[in-house]
Amino acid sequence: EAAVTQSPRNKVAVTGGKVTLSCNQTNNHNNMYWYRQDTGHGLRLIHYSYGAGSTEKGDIPDGYKASRPSQENFSLILELATPSQTSVYFCASGPTYNNQAPLFGEGTRLSVL
Amino acid sequence: GEQVEQRPPHLSVREGDSAVITCTYTDPNSYYFFWYKQEPGASLQLLMKVFSSTEINEGQGFTVLLNKKDKRLSLNLTAAHPGDSAAYFCAVRDTNAYKVIFGKGTHLHVLP
Repeated sequence: EAAVTQSPRNKVAVTGGKVTLSCNQTNNHNNMYWYRQDTGHGLRLIHYSYGAGSTEKGDIPDGYKASRPSQENFSLILELATPSQTSVYFCASGPTYNNQAPLFGEGTRLSVL
Repeated sequence: GEQVEQRPPHLSVREGDSAVITCTYTDPNSYYFFWYKQEPGASLQLLMKVFSSTEINEGQGFTVLLNKKDKRLSLNLTAAHPGDSAAYFCAVRDTNAYKVIFGKGTHLHVLP
């Protein structure tokens, strides 16, 4: 069964600390995405990847890095977390050239104190 | 790059009434469009997908219309019921086939 798994599901971090959010997909999709969801802003694209070894900036990449070491795994890294990065983060995976929609993970709720 | 505007941000209707949510996009070469539903505290679930032509797709109580000439996508709930209360998001895959851009969402409340 197609799946996107995020870990952790909840995270409390301190300002200035490093945070890594992980995402694993078993769908053999080329594309993977990281979004954040905030009230009034919908889902905003942070970084995406079109295959192992690639990372691309989305619409709001500042303060975030991404890593795609394999087809299955895509991480979002906050090197110096700030309270403004408190949000719910969603990972998704999707194919490139057909009509399938991206599949979403369950989300990670991050609080930066 | 692609920009997606979704209206209205909030919508309240009575049970049995219809509800219409509309998205407009900017890139005329966009070709894949999606609607997602998100219940409180949950992830996004695909509701419907529609492709590069003017067409109507019908699902379980939903109709989706794509008008590429006007760059407009709409979701019509034909007879809303309380279980339809949720947030709805449109999404557009842009021309490079990698990025998927979302609207800001519509919070729908269906009153009994």
